[in-house]
Amino acid sequence: GDSVTQMEGPVTLSEEAFLTINCTYTATGYPSLFWYVQYPGEGLQLLLKATKADDKGSNKGFEATYRKETTSFHLEKGSVQVSDSAVYFCALGLQGAQKLVFGQGTRLTINP
Amino acid sequence: DAGVIQSPRHEVTEMGQEVTLRCKPISGHNSLFWYRQTMMRGLELLIYFNNNVPIDDSGMPEDRFSAKMPNASFSTLKIQPSEPRDSAVYFCASSFNDGYTFGSGTRLTVV
Repeated sequence: GDSVTQMEGPVTLSEEAFLTINCTYTATGYPSLFWYVQYPGEGLQLLLKATKADDKGSNKGFEATYRKETTSFHLEKGSVQVSDSAVYFCALGLQGAQKLVFGQGTRLTINP
Repeated sequence: DAGVIQSPRHEVTEMGQEVTLRCKPISGHNSLFWYRQTMMRGLELLIYFNNNVPIDDSGMPEDRFSAKMPNASFSTLKIQPSEPRDSAVYFCASSFNDGYTFGSGTRLTVV
């Protein structure tokens, strides 16, 4: 069935380090892909998205490119900040993105 | 827009009691989703509605759980009777065509 697999956490980095969180998916058809972020005590917020192959989503310095050939949507940021500490969820959208399938989440901690 | 509004933010109840969680979706959104989040199981989809009609309730764990959406601006998730293993954060989300907007969640503790 349709699924999302994320890099296992937790991930701990120093401020200004380069970040990559891997995400691969299995899906029938051509899903939309999303990254959501969850800050402590809050709900998930949409970080970025891509709706077709080779699209690049970007927001707040984060980027992810929809790679159909490798079925991947890895999240990257060139220089992380302490405020980026959160849990990151990769997701794919089925049925016109009416229903999302989420990965298990990756907890990121950035140390000053 | 105030976003997706959930109430209460926190609920502590005794085992066996009925619990009702409430959600007001964003105006104009036609899909509504209830999720449960725990450390052990992560984020689980319980049920979702489209145009107020339940589409997929396969994630509802047991008959103790029920959800309703009487109109486009309100939904409830009820647990009766509640059990300690129901302790979790319950999220509501709404959408229109692309992506979700989540509420801040209800943290439920059953003692």
